[in-house]
Amino acid sequence: KNEVEQSPQNLTAQEGEFITINCSYSVGISALHWLQQHPGGGIVSLFMLSSGKKKHGRLIATINIQEKHSSLHITASHPRDSAVYICAVRSGNQFYFGTGTSLTVIP
Amino acid sequence: GEEVAQTPKHLVRGEGQKAKLYCAPIKGHSYVFWYQQVLKNEFKFLISFQNENVFDETGMPKERFSAKCLPNSPCSLEIQATKLEDSAVYFCASSRLPGSPGTEAFFGQGTRLTVV
Repeated sequence: KNEVEQSPQNLTAQEGEFITINCSYSVGISALHWLQQHPGGGIVSLFMLSSGKKKHGRLIATINIQEKHSSLHITASHPRDSAVYICAVRSGNQFYFGTGTSLTVIP
Repeated sequence: GEEVAQTPKHLVRGEGQKAKLYCAPIKGHSYVFWYQQVLKNEFKFLISFQNENVFDETGMPKERFSAKCLPNSPCSLEIQATKLEDSAVYFCASSRLPGSPGTEAFFGQGTRLTVV
């Protein structure tokens, strides 16, 4: 069993739709990261959370430490949001990565 | 702004050649981690450093892989005699402190190694 589970694995949305990607984890963590990976491989760090909620532009990330769950929301989705979104948790001096959610936003 | 700098972005090597990848952590960050992304979203831990000391190397294939973090130099990951299966994206991350709550880690953009 993976320490980090993401859902859905694949997501297709129409431009403008509200999108939610979920992440559940089973280990004790000090922080949770949401990463974005475009074709070609480069990783962009979107958020680091240890509690509560963060917002950056159209992106919102929340975490519930008691439930060991985090969500990444994208409001008013756009084709340029198409990418793989990866949830990664830091537990001690290790990172555990989810298998990613592949998002395609259709114009 | 703050950035973990990985070079090169892309590296192509013939099977059996050496490959050397670099990671410059953010200034003041003591911890560096290397991960290998082989399959689409499968990340394998390789090694971590606390300053120039190896902190955890449980993921390193010791036969052909080596890594260093020397003072005032980027960290490096070297693969001797590359094999086709070494083709992957290699990521590094750095942080100021060990895994204390709220300690932010920063990820590099990765180096895509292709062994042909």
